[in-house]
Amino acid sequence: QKEVEQDPGPLSVPEGAIVSLNCTYSNSAFQYFMWYRQYSRKGPELLMYTYSSGNKEDGRFTAQVDKSSKYISLFIRDSQPSDSATYLCAPWGAMDSNYQLIWGAGTKLIIKP
Amino acid sequence: NAGVTQTPKFQVLKTGQSMTLQCAQDMNHEYMSWYRQDPGMGLRLIHYSVGAGITDQGEVPNGYNVSRSTTEDFPLRLLSAAPSQTSVYFCASSLAESSYNEQFFGPGTRLTVL
Repeated sequence: QKEVEQDPGPLSVPEGAIVSLNCTYSNSAFQYFMWYRQYSRKGPELLMYTYSSGNKEDGRFTAQVDKSSKYISLFIRDSQPSDSATYLCAPWGAMDSNYQLIWGAGTKLIIKP
Repeated sequence: NAGVTQTPKFQVLKTGQSMTLQCAQDMNHEYMSWYRQDPGMGLRLIHYSVGAGITDQGEVPNGYNVSRSTTEDFPLRLLSAAPSQTSVYFCASSLAESSYNEQFFGPGTRLTVL
């Protein structure tokens, strides 16, 4: 079983739709939960992060963590074609006596005009 | 600031050849790392460095060497290229050792080994 599971997609939705991207993880020691966005043929860039459980909002983006079910979500409101990218979830915390950032495989999102 | 730069952008090698992927950052970051990205696999950590003169292995270090003689540069050496090393390679840097700090990525090197 992978430490972080993420549906690779692609997920295709019309412009203006609400998008929900999700990850599940297995290690209860994870403390920080990052979302990176990666445009085609570019390096990933940090979109937002949350600490422990709860919600965090940044403009049209909301990150949500439910530590009891080990479930991470990213919601995008009023989606735009410029949101088309691959979204990678990356929890961080203690693993094997080390602190590590563990990457999901990424979900490819396509917003159709 | 240029951020994180990587050269070359593309490279084709024959099996058994060696080469060095260059990475440089101008943000005075202590922590630098190399990842490879393969379809469906996500980013996998090859090697990382917490400062000049200090390097350590990541998840998939076999076949790769690194060194860190300066804060700015962190080259990745492929000793004897194999087709399994065909991938996109990303260098990243962050302010401190704690990897929850924002990581800044370079544009990547697309490597094909024939």
